Amino acid sequence: AQSVTQPDIHITVSEGASLELRCNYSYGATPYLFWYVQSPGQGLQLLLKYFSGDTLVQGIKGFEAEFKRSQSSFNLRKPSVHWSDAAEYFCAVGSRLNTDKLIFGTGTRLQVFP
Amino acid sequence: DTEVTQTPKHLVMGMTNKKSLKCEQHMGHRAMYWYKQKAKKPPELMFVYSYEKLSINESVPSRFSPECPNSSLLNLHLHALQPEDSALYLCASSHGQGGRQPQHFGDGTRLSIL
Repeated sequence: AQSVTQPDIHITVSEGASLELRCNYSYGATPYLFWYVQSPGQGLQLLLKYFSGDTLVQGIKGFEAEFKRSQSSFNLRKPSVHWSDAAEYFCAVGSRLNTDKLIFGTGTRLQVFP
Repeated sequence: DTEVTQTPKHLVMGMTNKKSLKCEQHMGHRAMYWYKQKAKKPPELMFVYSYEKLSINESVPSRFSPECPNSSLLNLHLHALQPEDSALYLCASSHGQGGRQPQHFGDGTRLSIL
C-alpha cells in the first residue's frame, strides 16, 4: 500500500539552528514528491516539489529537499531556522498514474525558540 | 495572499441548516479539490473536479454535495451535518496535468456544527 511516514511528530529548534524534517514513502514507482507548510489558521503553502532530474531541489523561504531513491526518502532541510518558520510541515506524494490523489504524511510540528 | 479564495472564513451552523462553502480561482486551473482537515491531522481528500466534471468522490456522505458551476468556481453544499463534521475545509486547484502540477490551497473555511 502507498504510504508516507513523517517519523517526527514534533521538533523544537533554536532560532538560527539547522533543521531537517524526515519523510519516507512507500510506493511502487518513483512518485511526485511535495513539501507543504501550514501556519495556524492558514491553508497549505507549497514549499517545493520533485518530479525528476536533479535530486536536490530548492524551494521557497530558503528550504531545500533531497530525494534519495535508495532510502525512499525526501527530507526537508534549512540551514538556519527563523522564528517565522514555526508551523506544521506536511510531506506528500502524488502518483504518476492516479493523477489527482495526494497522499499526505501525518505532519511534523516545528517549534522555534528564540 | 493565496490565489485560491474561500468564503466564508468561518461558519457556525446547526445540524438542520443548509449552507454552502465557496471557492474561486483565476489561475486557469482545470482541476479543483475539496479537502477536510481535522485538528492536528493531514488533509483528507473529499472530491475532485476535472474540467468541471466530478472525477473523484472519496465515499463522502451525501450530506456534502459538491458543485462546479464553471472552471473558476467550486461550491460545497452542506445539509444536515453532524457535530463530527466540524473541521477546516480546504479548497485547492491545479493545472491537472497528470499530477505533475502541484495543488494550490486556499486558507480554508473553519466549520463548526452546533
